[in-house]
Amino acid sequence: DAGITQSPRHKVTETGTPVTLRCHQTENHRYMYWYRQDPGHGLRLIHYSYGVKDTDKGEVSDGYSVSRSKTEDFLLTLESATSSQTSVYFCAISVGGGREGHEQYFGPGTRLTVT
Amino acid sequence: AQKVTQAQTEISVVEKEDVTLDCVYETRDTTYYLFWYKQPPSGELVFLIRRNSFDEQNEISGRYSWNFQKSTSSFNFTITASQVVDSAVYFCALSEANMLTFGGGTRLMVKP
Repeated sequence: DAGITQSPRHKVTETGTPVTLRCHQTENHRYMYWYRQDPGHGLRLIHYSYGVKDTDKGEVSDGYSVSRSKTEDFLLTLESATSSQTSVYFCAISVGGGREGHEQYFGPGTRLTVT
Repeated sequence: AQKVTQAQTEISVVEKEDVTLDCVYETRDTTYYLFWYKQPPSGELVFLIRRNSFDEQNEISGRYSWNFQKSTSSFNFTITASQVVDSAVYFCALSEANMLTFGGGTRLMVKP
């Protein structure tokens, strides 16, 4: 158990509304990630963070922003939700202190539905 | 750009059969890492194994074994004597600079 929680676990929202998903970790890991999971695509990286206030884009970052003001929290924001952002969102941490190639451990996921 | 291909989208077997899940990857890096994750019906992602590109020894863990072949860019996963509890979606992944690239996943259904 890597001590990762996500909130909310389920959310239904309307097109055009802002949504923020929270990822919280208890073990002080430097690297944190946000992925989305869609059928046939596996998991795709949205954004990641390599420290407080240090973030970068992933493969599918359009329409998403992130913030990390504390080591333990990584927030994902959909500024104006669209139906194409209906997905399951997973947060992850990387063990190993930033060295390449270490495994990632995932939170329980957030199921987001945009109507 | 890195790419991971899991050509088998769904596999169905009967309990106690052996089953192999295929994973083929593309990368220009000489040093890289490969992973397998399991996602059971409950939805969580469970880390199974990590292998670096310099270690081509096969690995066995109970009923699970992994065959890494650099020459064919493959990292296949075999479950021996499958059980109903092995039913899940399995993902292969490749690491580049602290980021993972996932394959599309293989859904394994083990029937009693």
